[in-house]
Amino acid sequence: QVQLVQSGAEVKKPGASVKVSCKASGYTFTSYYMHWVRQAPGQGLEWMGIINPSGGSTSYAQKFQGRVTMTRDTSTSTVYMELSSLRSEDTAVYYCARDSSVYSSGYPEYFQHWGQGTLVTVSS
Amino acid sequence: QLVLTQSPSASASLGASVKLTCTLSSGHSSYAIAWHQQQPEKGPRYLMKLNSDGSHSKGDGIPDRFSGSSSGAERYLTISSLQSEDEADYYCQTWGTGISWVFGGGTKLTVL
Repeated sequence: QVQLVQSGAEVKKPGASVKVSCKASGYTFTSYYMHWVRQAPGQGLEWMGIINPSGGSTSYAQKFQGRVTMTRDTSTSTVYMELSSLRSEDTAVYYCARDSSVYSSGYPEYFQHWGQGTLVTVSS
Repeated sequence: QLVLTQSPSASASLGASVKLTCTLSSGHSSYAIAWHQQQPEKGPRYLMKLNSDGSHSKGDGIPDRFSGSSSGAERYLTISSLQSEDEADYYCQTWGTGISWVFGGGTKLTVL
């Protein structure tokens, strides 16, 4: 079965960077797009960006352009999300979510499988 | 602009049915959506993809009590025979050209 296992909670100071990992198993890693979504305390879900694990191409939500970098390591079936210049408003749970679409056959659509989430706390 | 609108809250009694609504913004009434459930203190869980014609495909292990339907720009999630574990936040989500993925604000369902 598809599993997405994320790295553990992080505490960072304002201005620092954080890198969250998401290790995938149970399917062909390079075949499916992966998204990152975050959820601030008591708030809704917010899409951050997408990576094609096959070629590594990415697209980011405008809000995070210049501050977020998504990468992948095909040898370990792991995707990473790095967010820089952290501020208190970045305190949130960060989720990876595998898309429903095989990248070679169509446009990415919806989030079919979710990681367990990683809490990132930004505090001085 | 692609926007999804959901009522912030809903409630229904144990064993009853409830119908949650997600409304697509003007000009986007043909879009499919997906429904996700988030139980308290847990991560989201995919429930189903719902097309504009009302056809839907559910995720693995999603009970038959969960069903979807559509009318115009509205997409519905109906939960029948409500159980206590159905108390959760429900989010609709869609996708569009130009690389954009959008969530509704979520509906908090209380089972009385």
